[in-house]
Amino acid sequence: GAVVSQHPSWVICKSGTSVKIECRSLDFQATTMFWYRQFPKQSLMLMATSNEGSKATYEQGVEKDKFLINHASLTLSTLTVTSAHPEDSSFYICSARRDSHYEQYFGPGTRLTVT
Amino acid sequence: RKEVEQDPGPFNVPEGATVAFNCTYSNSASQSFFWYRQDCRKEPKLLMSVYSSGNEDGRFTAQLNRASQYISLLIRDSKLSDSATYLCVVNSNNNDMRFGAGTRLTVKP
Repeated sequence: GAVVSQHPSWVICKSGTSVKIECRSLDFQATTMFWYRQFPKQSLMLMATSNEGSKATYEQGVEKDKFLINHASLTLSTLTVTSAHPEDSSFYICSARRDSHYEQYFGPGTRLTVT
Repeated sequence: RKEVEQDPGPFNVPEGATVAFNCTYSNSASQSFFWYRQDCRKEPKLLMSVYSSGNEDGRFTAQLNRASQYISLLIRDSKLSDSATYLCVVNSNNNDMRFGAGTRLTVKP
């Protein structure tokens, strides 16, 4: 199957700092990538859809100025959590979709802890 | 009403048991359907797609009922390694993939 990587796999940061998470599709080109957040014992919640070369589409309730998304190439999307707070602590997962396929391939996730 | 609803469980079954999960979705325009498996602290992984005619993959059988807007997953001869959370996923169009909250399964010796 297709491979999607995320970096870092886990990060601890202080409140008020910013954290960047990278999502890469390793063996295919992805015009669309998705960013999800998952709190303990809850489902994945779509945060935003990242389209290569254009602005991301954010889900209702997700602050675009706080969660900056950049999809500069067909294999890389980044999510930057700006001015992180403890309530931003969560499991952030990206996924990538091949052109013309519905299936999404997930990255291994990034566990963010804000102290 | 949630777009995709699942019984959260947990389902605790002995090895060898048959267990079934159901999932309902609210958007009648939904086009594609999947079951994903998620292990604790891991990313979801595709278990199987769900086709209108129903499909089987080894011990796993998935079925779709468009009229009633529900999807099912049947696991036969449960193994310890089947313990995980099973996510029902519904795709309304290319960019609208919605996840159920997941159903936890624990298979015990």
